[in-house]
Amino acid sequence: AQKITQTQPGMFVQEKEAVTLDCTYDTSDQSYGLFWYKQPSSGEMIFLIYQGSYDEQNATEGRYSLNFQKARKSANLVISASQLGDSAMYFCAMSPYSGNTPLVFGKGTRLSVIA
Amino acid sequence: DGGITQSPKYLFRKEGQNVTLSCEQNLNHDAMYWYRQDPGQGLRLIYYSQIVNDFQKGDIAEGYSVSREKKESFPLTVTSAQKNPTAFYLCASSLQGAIYGYTFGSGTRLTVV
Repeated sequence: AQKITQTQPGMFVQEKEAVTLDCTYDTSDQSYGLFWYKQPSSGEMIFLIYQGSYDEQNATEGRYSLNFQKARKSANLVISASQLGDSAMYFCAMSPYSGNTPLVFGKGTRLSVIA
Repeated sequence: DGGITQSPKYLFRKEGQNVTLSCEQNLNHDAMYWYRQDPGQGLRLIYYSQIVNDFQKGDIAEGYSVSREKKESFPLTVTSAQKNPTAFYLCASSLQGAIYGYTFGSGTRLTVV
């Protein structure tokens, strides 16, 4: 079974600063994918970034990057140059490549960006 | 534009009533999912379906039922057996398997009155 742990219930960051949201995972699968989603107060879930377990390079999407450390089973999200609109809940999720298994989500981290 | 639509956005249920939440997608996705979200609990899987006329229970299926008669539709019924149904419900869809990631609907907030 897969498990996602997000240890930071809430985080504060100053506008224009960088912030790292932690995510560790547990799986016995060798091939898997890792995802980060953003959930603003409106409730919609917005896909941010994806990392495959065999990808050697860390994924980047604009101001978002994923610090993937496979040996430590961590997939931390780094947001550079924080903006007020980044205030939201952030969820880490994973799924193995095999078996059509649904995504497993962490409990999330609430990020608040301060002006 | 392709997408996934949940309705209604807000729903109120009286004690002892069954209610059905709608989820429709026009993305031609094979798989569809229902999650429940409570404050501080993250997303918990209720049911999922990989193909028409087939579905599997998730972690918290008790008190819920689903059907998948069409590829585009995956309605969720919250039955009177669900003792604490007040929550935010999210529907999602994906190509074959979650490894391609999900497209989410905008959610339905259910409140028991």
